[in-house]
Amino acid sequence: QSALTQPASVSGSPGQSIAISCTGTSSDIGGYNYVSWYQQYPGKAPKLIIYDVSNRPSGVSDRFSGSKSGNTASLTISGLQTEDEADYYCTSYTTRTTLERVVFGGGTKLTVL
Amino acid sequence: EVQLVESGGVVVQPGGSLRLSCAASGFTFRDFSMHWVRQRPGKGLEWVSLINRNGRTTYYADSVKGRFTISRDNSKNSLYLQLNSLTTEDSALYYCVKEKWGSSWTAYDSWGQGTLVFVSS
Repeated sequence: QSALTQPASVSGSPGQSIAISCTGTSSDIGGYNYVSWYQQYPGKAPKLIIYDVSNRPSGVSDRFSGSKSGNTASLTISGLQTEDEADYYCTSYTTRTTLERVVFGGGTKLTVL
Repeated sequence: EVQLVESGGVVVQPGGSLRLSCAASGFTFRDFSMHWVRQRPGKGLEWVSLINRNGRTTYYADSVKGRFTISRDNSKNSLYLQLNSLTTEDSALYYCVKEKWGSSWTAYDSWGQGTLVFVSS
């Protein structure tokens, strides 16, 4: 069981907006602004799309945005496109245990209908 | 261009050991903390370990602590992961990843292609 909770799947139609949630605790998401999001296509390495809650790396479409409220972070994709169909993972800095410092969510499969 | 090339993945028996390597190029290796992230077949991403720039500070996932050891050789631009007491649960694709400059702990802007570890009798 992953430390951060994401919905297993979400879906949307082209042009719509969707949001993927990522829920943790005050020891990770709620306590630090160190949340990142990754996009992964089958058989490919993940790609960073959001870091430090809401920052986009250079070259990432502005259709991707991130936010946080309390212990829950969210990734919003606006103007859905078929190419957005992929798996999405959140990750956060954590101080839950003595040695662990990073935790991932279980991942969310986005289907563009 | 940043390149991270992992190697060392093999088929190993339960209880066995192996060392993964990651050759880095295209950036000043000694200026970046580095991580290992793994992905079991058909499953999600799992953070494994991190090492700071000078190699003196390391952290581990609870699932591997006491069994895995991360290290680096800045003179060789290389990252390593020693895996001991392996179980079938350690079977995964292991990625070497680089932190994004100026960010914190969880932003990885470069990933290798991964090296596959398969633990089976």
